[in-house]
Amino acid sequence: EAGVAQSPRYKIIEKRQSVAFWCNPISGHATLYWYQQILGQGPKLLIQFQNNGVVDDSQLPKDRFSAERLKGVDSTLKIQPAKLEDSAVYLCASSWGGGARNEQFFGPGTRLTVL
Amino acid sequence: GNSVTQMEGPVTLSEEAFLTINCTYTATGYPSLFWYVQYPGEGLQLLLKATKADDKGSNKGFEATYRKETTSFHLEKGSVQVSDSAVYFCALSDSNGANNLFFGTGTRLTVIP
Repeated sequence: EAGVAQSPRYKIIEKRQSVAFWCNPISGHATLYWYQQILGQGPKLLIQFQNNGVVDDSQLPKDRFSAERLKGVDSTLKIQPAKLEDSAVYLCASSWGGGARNEQFFGPGTRLTVL
Repeated sequence: GNSVTQMEGPVTLSEEAFLTINCTYTATGYPSLFWYVQYPGEGLQLLLKATKADDKGSNKGFEATYRKETTSFHLEKGSVQVSDSAVYFCALSDSNGANNLFFGTGTRLTVIP
């Protein structure tokens, strides 16, 4: 079974530029998550989708971050414009459903460096 | 609110030593508790979990018991191997059905031969 795919793996941009990350979840997984992991910290949830609807985006900085999951499969996370403090690893995860008993499977992450 | 406090690292042990990584939590309701592991160059993987008080999760020789009275979920292994070198994250999932994970800061373990 293929795992969660993410691209690109690495990205370096200058502040005020835009960047987009892509995630392809495990086939059949209805729930998709984006996490931000700043160096030395644990991952922090940014947004959760159930199919193509948003379940929780309370931690998403909506003035600069946006995410979509058209057709309930792939998802993109965008930052526009980027700030220095956005340097982090962005993790995508998926699960069969949204309940606490559904294991989340994580992708390898995209490491973003903002200069 | 929900939060996880994890033992500061890094931790360096000799092969076959006993491992304990402490984890305590604050949560509303009855959370599920998890340990995730991140091996060098790889993504986060679920190591073990416990969904209710007094449950013991176990996998690959690691164990952790859900202690509601002390709000703890300490990770233990009786004899570590070099291949256990990784970063370990304690996490909780709130009980409101959304399955949002709240992670600790991670503990880096290095096992030397």
